[in-house]
Order: sequence, then C-alpha cells, then structure tokens
Amino acid sequence: NAGVTQTPKFQVLKTGQSMTLQCAQDMNHEYMSWYRQDPGMGLRLIHYSVGAGITDQGEVPNGYNVSRSTTEDFPLRLLSAAPSQTSVYFCASSYGTLGSNTEAFFGQGTRLTVV
Amino acid sequence: AQSVTQLGSHVSVSEGALVLLRCNYSSSVPPYLFWYVQYPNQGLQLLLKYTTGATLVKGINGFEAEFKKSETSFHLTKPSAHMSDAAEYFCAVTRLSYNQGGKLIFGQGTELSVKP
Repeated sequence: NAGVTQTPKFQVLKTGQSMTLQCAQDMNHEYMSWYRQDPGMGLRLIHYSVGAGITDQGEVPNGYNVSRSTTEDFPLRLLSAAPSQTSVYFCASSYGTLGSNTEAFFGQGTRLTVV
Repeated sequence: AQSVTQLGSHVSVSEGALVLLRCNYSSSVPPYLFWYVQYPNQGLQLLLKYTTGATLVKGINGFEAEFKKSETSFHLTKPSAHMSDAAEYFCAVTRLSYNQGGKLIFGQGTELSVKP
C-alpha cells in the first residue's frame, strides 16, 4: 500500500534552474495539496487541487506552478529556482474536499536546496 | 492573521511526566481540528481529530485532546511521556469559514523533547 509517493527525496538546484517535484497517490483521493515546511513557520500551503483539472493557490504560490491532469498525480513545478525556495516540500492527499473533516495523508517529503 | 497558534516552539519533559502541548485557533464557524506528529525525517501522520460530538478526543499512542469552544483551544495531552514521543507536533484546522473550506492550515509546530 504505497499511499502518497514523492520523488525525489533530495535535490540540489542552482539559482535559476527549473525542476518538477513529483507526487502520486494510489488512494483515489480527490483533494491534493503541496506544502513547504520552514523552521518556526509550520507548514504553509502552496497550491491545492479539489479534483482533476481544478487547482487553486494557497498562502505562498509565487514561483510555483501546478497542474492536475489525473486524479493520481499532482506535480509541483519550480519555474526559476531561488535560494528562498530552499525548504522541505510535502505533498498531501485526502478523501474530502471543501470543509473537509477527513484525514490528510502525507508523503515523505522532498528536501530541496537552492544554491 | 494567524488562524492556528501553538504556544511554545519547544517543550521538554522528563520521561513519565505529563505532556501538554497548547493550541489555540480562530474560526468564524465550528472548526475541524487536528493534531499531527512528525518524527525525524518523515512525513506527518494523524494523531487525532475533532469534528463534531464528544469534545474529548482520544488518539493513537495514548494522546488525547479536548476541544474547548469557550477558550478556542484544542490542547494535546498525554499522562506519561515516553522517549518515543520525541517529535514535532502540529495543530491544524480546516473550515475557517463557510467559504474557506478545503484548506488545512497548520500552526508553527512544537518540538517535544523527552529526557530520560
């Protein structure tokens, strides 16, 4: 039972490079989201999706793009990496959508360093 | 405006002592509240949640939390700490308002250390 799978686990980028963080879930969840975790700031929502073809911005969307072409996958794209995007990124999925009272399942995280 | 506030970024207790991690929220409607735990170099996993009904919620590993509407609080407790409880704990809320559902908003996190 894979749950939420994120790849890669670690990545080092140079300033200005682009890359895609992959996220896949096998639980048939409609709701998926991306967070970044920084010391002392908890997890902040970057983008989220309530279903295939539907995405919306969270608290800190600048510098990131997302798309949702299938229920299973929700990739996060860094368009032009900056040192301020050095962080640990988590993908999460859940069964519920708006006003959800259901549990969110998290991936293991991607630790990104931008130099 | 902060929607979830965790008081204390670091809490240290002795093994066998009471664990109390504090969480306060602000919401214009009855919230759904969660506590998640993150062990080193891992993702988050659910400890417990409050949706409706009984205000004292029991979770995994002996943790429980009480929803107090009058105090807008959802503090996490465990009667006796174990070394394996050392981790970071996050309080989270959804349903901040009737038109702001679907977003899981986290507090800043509290790192729990357990001394032998």
